[in-house]
Amino acid sequence: DTEVTQTPKHLVMGMTNKKSLKCEQHMGHRAMYWYKQKAKKPPELMFVYSYEKLSINESVPSRFSPECPNSSLLNLHLHALQPEDSALYLCASSQDDRTSSYEQYFGPGTRLTVT
Amino acid sequence: QKEVEQNSGPLSVPEGAIASLNCTYSDRVSQSFFWYRQYSGKSPELIMSIYSNGDKEDGRFTAQLNKASQYVSLLIRDSQPSDSATYLCAVGPFYNQGGKLIFGQGTELSVKP
Repeated sequence: DTEVTQTPKHLVMGMTNKKSLKCEQHMGHRAMYWYKQKAKKPPELMFVYSYEKLSINESVPSRFSPECPNSSLLNLHLHALQPEDSALYLCASSQDDRTSSYEQYFGPGTRLTVT
Repeated sequence: QKEVEQNSGPLSVPEGAIASLNCTYSDRVSQSFFWYRQYSGKSPELIMSIYSNGDKEDGRFTAQLNKASQYVSLLIRDSQPSDSATYLCAVGPFYNQGGKLIFGQGTELSVKP
């Protein structure tokens, strides 16, 4: 089973709203990732959590705030977003991020529109 | 600057033909190589991973890796219209950067009936 789930599937929010994206995996994976993907572009890494600790932050603006409540869950809290933040937000997980052979499995994504 | 290069396409092949997708990468210490398939409006789906030089086959898919030439390819035999998608090449890991993958821009494949 290589399933990563994400909620909601679609989200429309105003620039003053606060919302959260949720991601869950039950594969026992210890690394989880947030990516942002714009149309016709590859996924762009935002954050990596390794063993529930933030290990990589790709200089993402503070209006995006990640949280890893436990090894199965990953949240992305959104506040005061800009229209250019509209994109597909992807969660992924892998067994860990400390070996040279790991495979990242993506969830279905959340399509975010900022108005 | 670590780079992964792919031809953006579109690559058009007739049904039943072999589709050949290519990827080059700049960092010689790269250890892991992946091919993802992404249908329009969907998320990337891992279809192949390869870690050592040579060929790896899985059904109609064959991944080929040549670390000396810094080249990885994906062959799709007996291409079907359902294979029409964007194929992303991803490379990693990099020293002290955990699970970070570097993605190519993707090659759009169109299989014509």
